[in-house]
Amino acid sequence: QSVLTQPRSVSGSPGQSVTISCTGTSSDIGGYSYVSWYQQFPGKAPKLMIYDVNKRPSGVPDRFSGSKSGNTASLTISGLQAEDEADYYCCSYVGRYPYVFGTGTKVTVL
Amino acid sequence: QVQLVESGGGVVQPGRSLRLSCAASGFTFSNYAIHWVRQAPGKGLEWEWVAVISYDGSNKYYADSVKGRFTISRDNSKDTLWLQMNSLKTEDTAVFYCARANKGGDAFDLWGQGTMVAVSS
Repeated sequence: QSVLTQPRSVSGSPGQSVTISCTGTSSDIGGYSYVSWYQQFPGKAPKLMIYDVNKRPSGVPDRFSGSKSGNTASLTISGLQAEDEADYYCCSYVGRYPYVFGTGTKVTVL
Repeated sequence: QVQLVESGGGVVQPGRSLRLSCAASGFTFSNYAIHWVRQAPGKGLEWEWVAVISYDGSNKYYADSVKGRFTISRDNSKDTLWLQMNSLKTEDTAVFYCARANKGGDAFDLWGQGTMVAVSS
């Protein structure tokens, strides 16, 4: 199955904004509004942060936001905090199986 | 407490079998489709969707890479999900997570902590 492309790492200072891109094709991200984002700390269970491109589950801070333009989805963390240092993965659902995941991005808070 | 807890991982030789379990608690298990997703250490921690089973067990779908070798099943009376893995290959080495489907079925809104499967001779 195809893989969505994410930058290997992004970094920012506390209080800054960082954006993680997730690039696919017109057959996945570009064609559907089913992009989700997950946060994962080492050795821990992943956590859903964004679904349907830009919707936040209950309990996720509003400094996390999602968007999409063409074949690229993005996750923006505004007002970066030390606790946001983790790995982030995107995922695309095209209305049928399989789901396609991104390569993962490590966010470092400087 | 709303959670999923996987178990059953371990070290196994190529060609052998292993059965993973996923125990649910804190929510109505029978209302949700459940997936297996794996994360392989040898592939830069990339994730791969493995399989899904509908809320009542009537529909099952698999990734091409495991079709014919893996079987997903559930017992709603026991709030438990299984993944029977046969004819294991070295490339199946990964951390396996069970994950609950959200209401729209397009995302995974609850994950377990994972169980490690290592296939090695």
